[in-house]
Amino acid sequence: AQSVTQPDIHITVSEGASLELRCNYSYGATPYLFWYVQSPGQGLQLLLKYFSGDTLVQGIKGFEAEFKRSQSSFNLRKPSVHWSDAAEYFCAVGLPAYNQGGKLIFGQGTELSVKP
Amino acid sequence: GAVVSQHPSWVICKSGTSVKIECRSLDFQATTMFWYRQFPKQSLMLMATSNEGSKATYEQGVEKDKFLINHASLTLSTLTVTSAHPEDSSFYICSASLAGGPTLVHNEQFFGPGTRLTVL
Repeated sequence: AQSVTQPDIHITVSEGASLELRCNYSYGATPYLFWYVQSPGQGLQLLLKYFSGDTLVQGIKGFEAEFKRSQSSFNLRKPSVHWSDAAEYFCAVGLPAYNQGGKLIFGQGTELSVKP
Repeated sequence: GAVVSQHPSWVICKSGTSVKIECRSLDFQATTMFWYRQFPKQSLMLMATSNEGSKATYEQGVEKDKFLINHASLTLSTLTVTSAHPEDSSFYICSASLAGGPTLVHNEQFFGPGTRLTVL
């Protein structure tokens, strides 16, 4: 069965420090991978996505993620965190539309806190 | 582009009443819309998938008579929580996929801002 695991429920980093949020997936075919960010009481904003091609994907707000098929991972990184990056981050796998309804399977989320 | 709105953004109702939440794709046509429920500090749980002009497909464990979904046009889907009770209080989020996208792949979903439902 398809699944997404975000091992870290909560991470705290200092402002200006680097960040890596982990995401592992279980999926039998080529995955469509996403990272979303959610501020309290808000909807989801897409940070970046991987469909095919270059395995290092650049997103908005200075985020990037690297798809590693051998490790079934799609970790999110940012070289220097800003206080405004404090939020909940979700990794997700997208399923094909023709046989699985185009659903998204979400990880449990990682809450990021930023220390001044 | 690809903006999705939800109305209302928050609603408070009495137990036993019904509440309707609207999800609109503002600048694109959406063949498929999805409804999610999110509890505090938790991930999104897919409730149902709604295709324009057909009945919604509900996920296992979601009561279809409790959560009525209508997708009458390519830009509007509604979720009605019938006879709401306090345990229905939650954050409800919709998303929409572009019409005409390739069905052999995953079509990106665009998310609304969510609706906070509180049932007293």
